[in-house]
Amino acid sequence: GIQVEQSPPDLILQEGANSTLRCNFSDSVNNLQWFHQNPWGQLINLFYIPSGTKQNGRLSATTVATERYSLLYISSSQTTDSGVYFCAVYGTYKYIFGTGTRLKVLA
Amino acid sequence: NAGVTQTPKFQVLKTGQSMTLQCAQDMNHEYMSWYRQDPGMGLRLIHYSVGAGITDQGEVPNGYNVSRSTTEDFPLRLLSAAPSQTSVYFCASSYSRFSYEQYFGPGTRLTVT
Repeated sequence: GIQVEQSPPDLILQEGANSTLRCNFSDSVNNLQWFHQNPWGQLINLFYIPSGTKQNGRLSATTVATERYSLLYISSSQTTDSGVYFCAVYGTYKYIFGTGTRLKVLA
Repeated sequence: NAGVTQTPKFQVLKTGQSMTLQCAQDMNHEYMSWYRQDPGMGLRLIHYSVGAGITDQGEVPNGYNVSRSTTEDFPLRLLSAAPSQTSVYFCASSYSRFSYEQYFGPGTRLTVT
């Protein structure tokens, strides 16, 4: 089956810093989503991005499907960005999740 | 729209007991799925459904049953709970089986003693 790897597994930032999270996948996929799981456990959709680049405020994402990776950029990080960031890829009727990047932003 | 709803939010079971986790969506979504989340392991797919009357297994289906009699509802049944099923369970839905954005419910935290 499709393998999804995320890096780094853990990240600690000072407020205001920028970061890049990476998601690699092992096979061609039809779709990719990025999620943020906040400290209360809620899963929040960030980007639906099968290819190309999207931006939403301080966050942006780029997926290069032909090279099987996606990047999530967080600029000017805030303490509310803390939590776990997951990417999920969609193969044949199934979403497969990576194990996530745990981000902690310090005030 | 309420989106994807799950009940209960929390549940404690004894080993061997049975229960049903409820999931409903009001977006007329064709595709629904159940995941479990264990510490450090991300989300793993248990079962999914591409439409009413159609279900299939995901990565970790053992110990769980599902059915889909209506578009709106997709209950997950634990027939004989085991401590290994202690986890957080998420239900999700999307418009179609053909690769659309997925929306998650708030989760059910289940403890089996």
